[in-house]
This record gives sequence, structure tokens and C-alpha cells, in this order.
Amino acid sequence: DAMVIQNPRYQVTQFGKPVTLSCSQTLNHNVMYWYQQKSSQAPKLLFHYYDKDFNNEADTPDNFQSRRPNTSFCFLDIRSPGLGDAAMYLCATSRDLETQYFGPGTRLLVL
Amino acid sequence: EDQVTQSPEALRLQEGESSSLNCSYTVSGLRGLFWYRQDPGKGPEFLFTLYSAGEEKEKERLKATLTKKESFLHITAPKPEDSATYLCAVRAGNNRKLIWGLGTSLAVNP
Repeated sequence: DAMVIQNPRYQVTQFGKPVTLSCSQTLNHNVMYWYQQKSSQAPKLLFHYYDKDFNNEADTPDNFQSRRPNTSFCFLDIRSPGLGDAAMYLCATSRDLETQYFGPGTRLLVL
Repeated sequence: EDQVTQSPEALRLQEGESSSLNCSYTVSGLRGLFWYRQDPGKGPEFLFTLYSAGEEKEKERLKATLTKKESFLHITAPKPEDSATYLCAVRAGNNRKLIWGLGTSLAVNP
């Protein structure tokens, strides 16, 4: 089945220690998104790639970076995680601006 | 300002007791309204996309409808496995970003 895959499902890191979350997709979609979701809140868009074009949201902290080496893969780098960055991180994909399909998420815990 | 509001915030039903969830929106130029289901600790699961007023879509016990101001997600004879948070999101105008509601947390008791 075509899908969005996120690894790892759970990530524990230490305060200030860089961490990378990965997302891959077999849907061959040209748009990939990274969201942050905290408990009982709606997903918050951090940034997205439209093809190779990177689009950062104005309120995304500089601490968050992303890479998309090819169509299938996208990475979220958190350079110096703080306690406030503990959250569920969701990757989604879409064909152009059509329906977004989400992965299972990565739960990040910062100690 | 573009806005999406979902109601109720939480809903508790008995198994078999049909009900509806509401998603009202105020946006300029609707490009699509999306319903998702989210289980605890998991990513949102796509349910429906609606594009224009009068459109309806169905899947098993769920039916989504759309007017110019709101969408309803009707749940017919729900089962305990329908318990989840249901999220509504809207894309409007030339924006690539979805506008999300806060969700309705549904609990279905056996």
C-alpha cells in the first residue's frame, strides 16, 4: 500500500542535543509538509516543500530546519531542542495542493 | 480573518446513537474542506474532501455534507471503534496552508 512512513515513532533526546526525524513516502507526491502537534491542539505547520521549493512559516523558530534530498524523503532537524519542543511531529504529503495524507507521527520527548 | 470552528468540543454517545459533528468556516474562496480522524498518539487519517456547497460523501457509518458556511459529519449507529478526535480543515484562496479547527473528541460507549 502507498503510504507515508515516519521514523522513529518515538524519540528521546536531551536538552540542546540535535535530533533528526525522517519521513518517506511511496505516494509519489510532490509536496511534503512538517507539522508540530501538541496535546489537544490542532497541527501547526512548520514548513513545506513544493517540489524543490522550500517554504518556511513566518513563526517557525530558527531552531527547526528541513532537508528534502529527493522526492521520496524529507527530514526535520531540530538543532537545539528545548523542553517546549516536546510534541508529536507529523509529516504529510499531497499532490499539488490537494488532500494531505499524514504519516503516523514521531513523538519527541526532551529531557 | 479566516477561521474554522468545530462543535461540540466533546461528545459522548451510546453505541447506536446517531449524531452530527459541526465544522463552521469563514474564509474567502473555499478551495477544499477536509475531514480527518485522529486516534491518540497517531497521525490524522484522511476521511473526506469536499469542494462545493451541496456536495456529500459517504464511507461506512460516516457521511459528510457541505454548505456555504459549514460542514457536518454525520455518524449513523456509531460503534465504540468510532471513538476518536475528528478534525476539520479548510484551504482557502491562494493559501497553501490549511486552517484547522480544534477538533471534536468523540467517545462511543458500548
